[in-house]
Amino acid sequence: AQSVTQLDSQVPVFEEAPVELRCNYSSSVSVYLFWYVQYPNQGLQLLLKYLSGSTLVKGINGFEAEFNKSQTSFHLRKPSVHISDTAEYFCAVSDQVGTNDYKLSFGAGTTVTVRA
Amino acid sequence: DTAVSQTPKYLVTQMGNDKSIKCEQNLGHDTMYWYKQDSKKFLKIMFSYNNKELIINETVPNRFSPKSPDKAHLNLHINSLELGDSAVYFCASSQDGSNQPQHFGDGTRLSIL
Repeated sequence: AQSVTQLDSQVPVFEEAPVELRCNYSSSVSVYLFWYVQYPNQGLQLLLKYLSGSTLVKGINGFEAEFNKSQTSFHLRKPSVHISDTAEYFCAVSDQVGTNDYKLSFGAGTTVTVRA
Repeated sequence: DTAVSQTPKYLVTQMGNDKSIKCEQNLGHDTMYWYKQDSKKFLKIMFSYNNKELIINETVPNRFSPKSPDKAHLNLHINSLELGDSAVYFCASSQDGSNQPQHFGDGTRLSIL
């Protein structure tokens, strides 16, 4: 079974500074990776996904992530954060459980706190 | 228009009771899921249904029983609630059971007294 490790449990950052959230996955022939964001008292919202193709993936709200097969990483970045980016961020990997069925396995999450 | 809606948003009850959480999606998706998020925010899948058929059934106690009357609804019934069941339960849906992104509801916070 696939798994992901989020290397930072908490990331404090000042407004307008860059942020990087680290995610490593267990190696596999095919890998499908996602980043989700969870704002306080809300469900998860997809930020971006990597299924195939270009290793640099752009998502919503100015986020991007780079798939690095040799390092088995899928780090999330934003060049300049806002207070509204304060949230919990989850890296997830899709694991095949049937012919056409997959399940998501989530990392433990990274809490991003943006300060003025 | 809420894409994936769960009710109730909060559920406070006593140990031993039976409760249900309802989930509905209006996205026309074929696959629906239930997740449990514990107090440390760790998120783990419990069940998935594809067009009313059970696909994923993780190691979940038999006290938890999902029911899918149609592909737009996936309800979660919990019998004999225990303290360890306290968590936030999320419903989600995706177009199919493949790698399409999942859309999540806002969660149901279950507190057992």
